[in-house]
Amino acid sequence: KNEVEQSPQNLTAQEGEFITINCSYSVGISALHWLQQHPGGGIVSLFMLSSGKKKHGRLIATINIQEKHSSLHITASHPRDSAVYICAAGRGYHDMRFGAGTRLTVKP
Amino acid sequence: DAGVIQSPRHEVTEMGQEVTLRCKPISGHDYLFWYRQTMMRGLELLIYFNNNVPIDDSGMPEDRFSAKMPNASFSTLKIQPSEPRDSAVYFCASSRSRGQYFGPGTRLLVL
Repeated sequence: KNEVEQSPQNLTAQEGEFITINCSYSVGISALHWLQQHPGGGIVSLFMLSSGKKKHGRLIATINIQEKHSSLHITASHPRDSAVYICAAGRGYHDMRFGAGTRLTVKP
Repeated sequence: DAGVIQSPRHEVTEMGQEVTLRCKPISGHDYLFWYRQTMMRGLELLIYFNNNVPIDDSGMPEDRFSAKMPNASFSTLKIQPSEPRDSAVYFCASSRSRGQYFGPGTRLLVL
């Protein structure tokens, strides 16, 4: 079993829909990271969180430490949100174990 | 700032050849990371440095891989000899405290 599991693997949505991507981890962590990988391959760090919730624009990340679960939400999705979203569990702030990623496609 | 700079962006080589990937971190960042991404295994941490010192190289697949950071503004990842299974995208990232900034990656193809 992988240390970090993401679901779903693939997700297709219509523009404007609310999107949720889930991440479960089995290791003890110091922080949970969400990354976005664009179709061209570039990777952007979206969030690093160790408790509660963080919000940036239309993106919200939450974490439940007791349940070892995190979610990434996108409100009012847009085609430009189409990307692969990767969850990573940080055993230290820098030692990351990655999920397989969720490929999101938002159709206009 | 120009961000994390990696070179080359693409590399095609033949099995058995030496490959050197280069990375220039963001100025002022004291952590540097090397990652590998493949379809089969996804993203994997290979090694990371703090203040130019290797901290954790447990992700380096085998002795054919080596990484150095001679100064705060430059790091190399070397594969010698290269094998077809090393074909992947190699990312470098840097960090000052929290959150990491990724370079554009080097796409390596070993024939």
